[in-house]
Amino acid sequence: GENVEQHPSTLSVQEGDSAVIKCTYSDSASNYFPWYKQELGKGPQLIIDIRSNVGEKKDQRIAVTLNKTAKHFSLHITETQPEDSAVYFCAANFHNNAGNMLTFGGGTRLMVKP
Amino acid sequence: DADVTQTPRNRITKTGKRIMLECSQTKGHDRMYWYRQDPGLGLRLIYYSFDVKDINKGEISDGYSVSRQAQAKFSLSLESAIPNQTALYFCATSDSTTAQHFGDGTRLSIL
Repeated sequence: GENVEQHPSTLSVQEGDSAVIKCTYSDSASNYFPWYKQELGKGPQLIIDIRSNVGEKKDQRIAVTLNKTAKHFSLHITETQPEDSAVYFCAANFHNNAGNMLTFGGGTRLMVKP
Repeated sequence: DADVTQTPRNRITKTGKRIMLECSQTKGHDRMYWYRQDPGLGLRLIYYSFDVKDINKGEISDGYSVSRQAQAKFSLSLESAIPNQTALYFCATSDSTTAQHFGDGTRLSIL
C-alpha cells in the first residue's frame, strides 16, 4: 500500500502571511494527489488536486507543487484569511486488486490569527 | 457535500450495542467508502464498495461490517460496539476519476 506523512500537524500564521503544508509519499506509482479542507462539524472538501504529469497547479490563493523524484508535494496558501482556518489533509492514490484508492496524511490544523 | 448524506449525525450508545450508520448519495457514483477519523490519525479506510455486489475490506475492518443495498446506499454496522470505536465516521463516494466526495460525518460515542 501507500504511506503518506504530513507536516506540520499544527500551523499558526498571521492573517495575510503565507502557509505551507508538506506531504511525502512512499509509492512511486502514485499519480494523483488531492488536498482536502475540513471545517469544524463538516466533512473534508476537495480544494485542489494535482496529477503527476504536472509540477504545479494554482487556483486563486492556493497552489500545489509536486516533486515526483523526491516523492513529496506541498500546499501553498497565500494572503491567508481567518476563513482559511481549518484542518487540511493531503492524500495520494495507490492501486490494489480492487482498484484505485486514496491514503490520507494525518492532517494539519491551520490557525490564521486576525 | 450535501449530495452525500449521513445519518445519524450524532449517536451516543453503550458498550455491546449494535449500531448502524447510514449513507446515501445523489451523485450517481458507483464507488462508496467508509472512513474513521481519530485525532492525529487522519482518515483510515474501514470498507469500500465499487459496485452494488462488491464489498472490500480496508485498513481497519475488524469489528465492522457493511451492506451496499443499492447504488446510492452504503451502511456501516458495529455488531457489538466497544469504547475504542468512539470516533468520527465519514462516508465518501467517487467515480473512476479518484476524487472522493465526503458527507458531513457521524460523531459516535460508545460508553
